[in-house]
Amino acid sequence: EIVLTQSPGTLSLSPGERATLSCRASQSVSSNYLAWYQQKPGQAPRLLIYDASSRAPGIPDRFSGSGSGTDFTLTISRLEPEDFAVYYCQQYGNSLPMYTFGQGTKLEIK
Amino acid sequence: QVQLVQSGAEVKRPGASVKVSCKASGYTFTSYAMHWVRQAPGQRLEWMGWINAGKGSTKYSQKFQGRVTITRDTSASTIYMELSSLRSEDTSMYYCARGWFFDLWGRGTLVTVSS
Repeated sequence: EIVLTQSPGTLSLSPGERATLSCRASQSVSSNYLAWYQQKPGQAPRLLIYDASSRAPGIPDRFSGSGSGTDFTLTISRLEPEDFAVYYCQQYGNSLPMYTFGQGTKLEIK
Repeated sequence: QVQLVQSGAEVKRPGASVKVSCKASGYTFTSYAMHWVRQAPGQRLEWMGWINAGKGSTKYSQKFQGRVTITRDTSASTIYMELSSLRSEDTSMYYCARGWFFDLWGRGTLVTVSS
């Protein structure tokens, strides 16, 4: 089973700043099947990025994903007030369990 | 409107079963895989399994194999998740989600297991 470890656990930044969130896999993620989600309190997660770097429809271009193999990054170029939330990475693999999630990074207002 | 509407909150006794529904609308139901994901309070998301809404084939996480059953009713554009032998650790929010990468989510169904 691929284990995803996200860092940092909590990131404190101000609106307008740049956020860099990391997701490290215990083994290589096949075909870069890595996604990122945003979750706000009391809400379901929302897909931001899939296939490591493809933005989902309707997602602002300040969100970008990069990386390959075992190291992946979500970057928010200029934080807006609505971006403060918890972010999860997720990988898809061929062997069960097919989907695993990281433990999340909480992005909070400084 | 493209959406997934889930059934309401449930309270169950340990050892019981629960069945949660997720009704799709606004798109071709049989064209997508559908998943169930749960999240215990303050915990990470946990994938439980998926169903090919067209063919009806399923795959389950090994953690839940033997306890979870996912089915679908194409005439009602609805999927179901039944979890048996409930224990307190199953207290979670249960979400349905669409597609290979979960581009559409239901709002969640809270299942509480308590004696």
